[in-house]
This record gives sequence, C-alpha cells and structure tokens, in this order.
Amino acid sequence: AAGVIQSPRHLIKEKRETATLKCYPIPRHDTVYWYQQGPGQDPQFLISFYEKMQSDKGSIPDRFSAQQFSDYHSELNMSSLELGDSALYFCASSPWTSGGYSYEQYFGPGTRLTVT
Amino acid sequence: LAKTTQPVSMDSYEGQEVNITCSHNNIATNDYITWYQQFPSQGPRFIIQGYKTKVTNEVASLFIPADRKSSTLSLPRVSLSDTAVYYCLVGDERQAGTALIFGKGTTLSVSS
Repeated sequence: AAGVIQSPRHLIKEKRETATLKCYPIPRHDTVYWYQQGPGQDPQFLISFYEKMQSDKGSIPDRFSAQQFSDYHSELNMSSLELGDSALYFCASSPWTSGGYSYEQYFGPGTRLTVT
Repeated sequence: LAKTTQPVSMDSYEGQEVNITCSHNNIATNDYITWYQQFPSQGPRFIIQGYKTKVTNEVASLFIPADRKSSTLSLPRVSLSDTAVYYCLVGDERQAGTALIFGKGTTLSVSS
C-alpha cells in the first residue's frame, strides 16, 4: 500500500541557511500535518492543511512557513536555521471523514535535519 | 484539552501480556482516546481508538471503564519487536482531523 513520502530523508545545513522539506501524502488523503521531534523529545505539532488551506497551527516558528499545493503535496520552508532546529520532521496525512471522528494519521518516515 | 498521565517506562518479557494504563481525569464527553506506537527514528503509528467499554483489533485491545477517567492498552503476547514508545492521546471528536498533541509516552522494553 502507498505510504507518505518525504524528501529528502536527510539534510545537513549550516546556521542561517534555508531548507525546504517536501511531503507527498497517501493518494486521496486531503489533510497534511507537519510535526517536529527533537532529540529525546516527543513529537510536536507544527501546522496542518486541509484542501490546500491552513487548518490548524501549532508551535511553528515565524521563520518557518508551509503550504499545500493543488496536487496535495506539501512543503515546509525553513529560513534562518538555528542549531535548535535540528530534529526529525514528520509529515502525516489523513483522509477526510465526513462526520467522522478518527484520529488516525499516517506518518511518513521523516526528514532528519541537522543544522551545524 | 484533557491531560494524560502514563508510566514513564515498563519492562516485559517475550510472550507476556502487557497492559499500559493512561490516566485522563478531565476527559470531556466528546473526547475519544487514541493510542500511537513509535519506534526509534520512525514516525508514530496509529494503534487503536475508542470511546467506551472495549475495542479490539488485530494488534491490541483498549479497555475503557464506565467513568472514562482512565484507559488501558493491552498488548497480547509481546515480542521483541514491540519495544517502542506508546502514546495515549485524548481528543475532542469534533476536532478529529486536526493536530495530534503528544504528551510523555511510555517506553516499553521487551526482552527475551
């Protein structure tokens, strides 16, 4: 079965550089979520999109932005990178369940970002 | 948002049944209980979700007492591959499709 695809899988950047992470959701999933997980930390929600519109916003720094495109893939843009941005970044997707209540999200393998 | 409390860690041996209990004293009427599993350096994986009584799937069972102030994830006959972090999440059904708010999970270690 198709899974969530994230690219790149690994990324090394220097401080103050920019990075772009990409996420391709499972086909027919119209909601995309981004999470950040620092070393030894629990996943933290950053932002989500439903039908190309931002649907929820968490602890996403102002230096970060994201969008969802017409083909439903999403990109997380990170600027002025700091050492503390080093983390695993997960993208997840879920289908719209009209009148439903599922909290089932499908996570990708993650992008490991290292800022030096 | 209902706060959840889980044990920090648990140890077990292969073949045993493992029960992880999550406390959520302030759970609201519209809240559902969801459990996720996460292996090191991998994304979390949905295990099970429930509202009351008992829910069972091919992976686990979820027991929720009548007062819903706690829930227990039951993993039958664990193997070494069940070593992971398990997260209990509580969320309003009306906000399904929004963010998962992860608290401190339970690190389960299974040994032979």
